[in-house]
Amino acid sequence: AQKVTQAQTEISVVEKEDVTLDCVYETRDTTYYLFWYKQPPSGELVFLIRRNSFDEQNEISGRYSWNFQKSTSSFNFTITASQVVDSAVYFCALSDPSGSARQLTFGSGTQLTVLP
Amino acid sequence: GAVVSQHPSRVICKSGTSVKIECRSLDFQATTMFWYRQFPKKSLMLMATSNEGSKATYEQGVEKDKFLINHASLTLSTLTVTSAHPEDSSFYICSASGGDPPGAQHFGDGTRLSIL
Repeated sequence: AQKVTQAQTEISVVEKEDVTLDCVYETRDTTYYLFWYKQPPSGELVFLIRRNSFDEQNEISGRYSWNFQKSTSSFNFTITASQVVDSAVYFCALSDPSGSARQLTFGSGTQLTVLP
Repeated sequence: GAVVSQHPSRVICKSGTSVKIECRSLDFQATTMFWYRQFPKKSLMLMATSNEGSKATYEQGVEKDKFLINHASLTLSTLTVTSAHPEDSSFYICSASGGDPPGAQHFGDGTRLSIL
């Protein structure tokens, strides 16, 4: 069975601070995908990144960076110089590669509040 | 690319009414669509997976006669909440895979359903 744990339920930071959102996963599959999604107050889910289990290189996209550590089954997300617009719920997810439908297992989400 | 449109965004109706929610992939062919339900401050709960031209696969505990899913084309899936009651009030989100990057699910903006 797959499981995604986001231990941080809520985080508050002041604007311009850096913040890291933790994600730990469990799977017996050797091939899988990891994802991060952002859900702002308006409700829609915004795709941020997909990471293949074979690719452990860290990735940076503007103020966002992701640290994939297969040895510790973690896929942490860091926002540098946070802004108020970053306030949202962030979900980490793991894909189920079995069959043709890639079902996602979501973590419980982390509510990030960036204060001005 | 990979835009998913979901309508309506908000529905308020009386108990006993049936409500249809549409999910369309606008710029790609969605081989698979997913329907989720999200309770306040909770993670997404997968309700069902639908493939074009075949019956949907429902998750355990989801009533298929209550939540009718039709996936008539590669760009359209519908969820009909039949004879809705107040306990069906929730945020429903669809997603579609088949766009870029492969394996990623792209989400609609969600439908907030309120049953009076």
